[in-house]
Amino acid sequence: DAGITQSPRHKVTETGTPVTLRCHQTENHRYMYWYRQDPGHGLRLIHYSYGVKDTDKGEVSDGYSVSRSKTEDFLLTLESATSSQTSVYFCAISEGAEYYGYTFGSGTRLTVV
Amino acid sequence: DAKTTQPTSMDCAEGRAANLPCNHSTISGNEYVYWYRQIHSQGPQYIIHGLKNNETNEMASLIITEDRKSSTLILPHATLRDTAVYYCIVRPASGGSYIPTFGRGTSLIVHP
Repeated sequence: DAGITQSPRHKVTETGTPVTLRCHQTENHRYMYWYRQDPGHGLRLIHYSYGVKDTDKGEVSDGYSVSRSKTEDFLLTLESATSSQTSVYFCAISEGAEYYGYTFGSGTRLTVV
Repeated sequence: DAKTTQPTSMDCAEGRAANLPCNHSTISGNEYVYWYRQIHSQGPQYIIHGLKNNETNEMASLIITEDRKSSTLILPHATLRDTAVYYCIVRPASGGSYIPTFGRGTSLIVHP
């Protein structure tokens, strides 16, 4: 989607290695979110941010950490990747106002072998 | 927080109207109803939202019941490209810090 990009789009990594996914926005939106999506599940929130250096945990935060040192970037780190973290990861942004809703990135497909 | 209930799956013939229901019986007065859809392997895409009046845009129409406990997303002339998972969520008007539950949505299959 315009204004939000995720990188990389695809990644294969080995169990036990650290992995960082990047979400970059050009909309200057305050709120940023990381979700994961697995077959049979909806979108599940991992972490979110409500400002620079302000983050909080979602429902499936174990094994993940995040950082937001600039408004435009929200990084998701898998400290020691496990096979259960094989998933599609989506980033979303929101300004918080009614008419914006959420804008999602195109996703990162991560495979942990 | 208010949550939504949607049927797991629906199907519709191409060219016909697709009517996707959503129940949000615990919605609060300041919460909007939003609809998104997710085409296979892509990120969810915003469709439409509303508070209490019916809304229409180039993609769809949103009908909200008078008591606001349910709504229906209408795709007036469904095409094969409308095959997707449709999510109904509720969120406050200034709810940036409010984290909605997207759930599993409704899988709509449009067939020829």
